[in-house]
Amino acid sequence: DVKVTQSSRYLVKRTGEKVFLECVQDMDHENMFWYRQDPGLGLRLIYFSYDVKMKEKGDIPEGYSVSREKKERFSLILESASTNQTSMYLCASSTHVPPYEQYFGPGTRLTVT
Amino acid sequence: AQSVTQLDSQVPVFEEAPVELRCNYSSSVSVYLFWYVQYPNQGLQLLLKYLSGSTLVESINGFEAEFNKSQTSFHLRKPSVHISDTAEYFCAVLNAGGTSYGKLTFGQGTILTVHP
Repeated sequence: DVKVTQSSRYLVKRTGEKVFLECVQDMDHENMFWYRQDPGLGLRLIYFSYDVKMKEKGDIPEGYSVSREKKERFSLILESASTNQTSMYLCASSTHVPPYEQYFGPGTRLTVT
Repeated sequence: AQSVTQLDSQVPVFEEAPVELRCNYSSSVSVYLFWYVQYPNQGLQLLLKYLSGSTLVESINGFEAEFNKSQTSFHLRKPSVHISDTAEYFCAVLNAGGTSYGKLTFGQGTILTVHP
């Protein structure tokens, strides 16, 4: 059974804190993605990675960075959390060949106060 | 660039009634199309996908979607819904050619609420 896991389901942080969200997949997928999900806006791509140590900006990368040191792990970093980063964060992985079906983790609901 | 529009943000329906969730996309290249479902407090799960071939695709739990190239639509339908179908549904499109790295573009989501 394929699996994408995220380190926390719920997280509460204070403004200005550095926040790490971890994602691990056990499917040996090359591609990994970080999205944020907000009501009425659907899922928006923050960053993605198509190989170890490779990363590309998505549609809304401002205020975020990522790290992929190992194939199975993709981390999202909020360098200095702000209240407008309160959201649901979803990680996904896929193969690097069509049809690129994405498998999602359960999500991390981050609240920044 | 491609985009996806889900025409209804919320769809309330009674149990055993039919339902249609509408999705339109825009793209200048050929695409793959997906419907994902998100049950409360869970991540997204793939419901069905169109890659090529028959324009009508089906899921194991009774949903179907039809790819209409001329209308650039991929509407999701079910002839008789159950309470357990209550969830948020996302339509997504992926560039089938070039170096897309499998990046999906999602619609805004449609919340389907099935009432007894």
